[in-house]
Amino acid sequence: KAGVTQTPRYLIKTRGQQVTLSCSPISGHRSVSWYQQTPGQGLQFLFEYFSETQRNKGNFPGRFSGRQFSNSRSEMNVSTLELGDSALYLCASSLSGQNNEKLFFGSGTQLSVL
Amino acid sequence: GEDVEQSLFLSVREGDSSVINCTYTDSSSTYLYWYKQEPGAGLQLLTYIFSNMDMKQDQRLTVLLNKKDKHLSLRIADTQTGDSAIYFCAESMDNNDMRFGAGTRLTVKP
Repeated sequence: KAGVTQTPRYLIKTRGQQVTLSCSPISGHRSVSWYQQTPGQGLQFLFEYFSETQRNKGNFPGRFSGRQFSNSRSEMNVSTLELGDSALYLCASSLSGQNNEKLFFGSGTQLSVL
Repeated sequence: GEDVEQSLFLSVREGDSSVINCTYTDSSSTYLYWYKQEPGAGLQLLTYIFSNMDMKQDQRLTVLLNKKDKHLSLRIADTQTGDSAIYFCAESMDNNDMRFGAGTRLTVKP
């Protein structure tokens, strides 16, 4: 069974640009969560999607958005990039997002904003 | 991760036990987790404990929870060089809105 796949693995953008990151969950998983990991702030929850609906949202500005498709694949978008958006963006999937389910993480997309 | 605190570094010798500590502030957390992150990889769930449990053991891993003090620990017995990684403590109430600590970098010396 393939794991959680995130593309691209690395990305370099400049300030003001926008970026779209992709996440393919494990087959059969319907819940997809996104996290931002930085050295200064650690791991922070961005949002969670289930059945194409955003079910939970962290404390990030509106420049951060996401969506989920009918096949459970998810994308997150960051518009008007800032230097502070440089981070490792991790996607995680689980069957239905319940707490007692194992959460599987992808290897992440390393975003560098210059 | 201000709600979950961990020490940043721990160094042990191969074969010794490692104990990684974590404190959290949200008493309504229902699940507490330990994740391992190796260089260039995502997070791997090691173990989790439900908030009404005191202890959970899984092979070389022992998790202790003191709910009164909001203190969680992970003990790794017979630590190996392959255990060198960053270990994250996390808590959650629901829907995968997990709050992570800053991570403890474990270095295992031969």
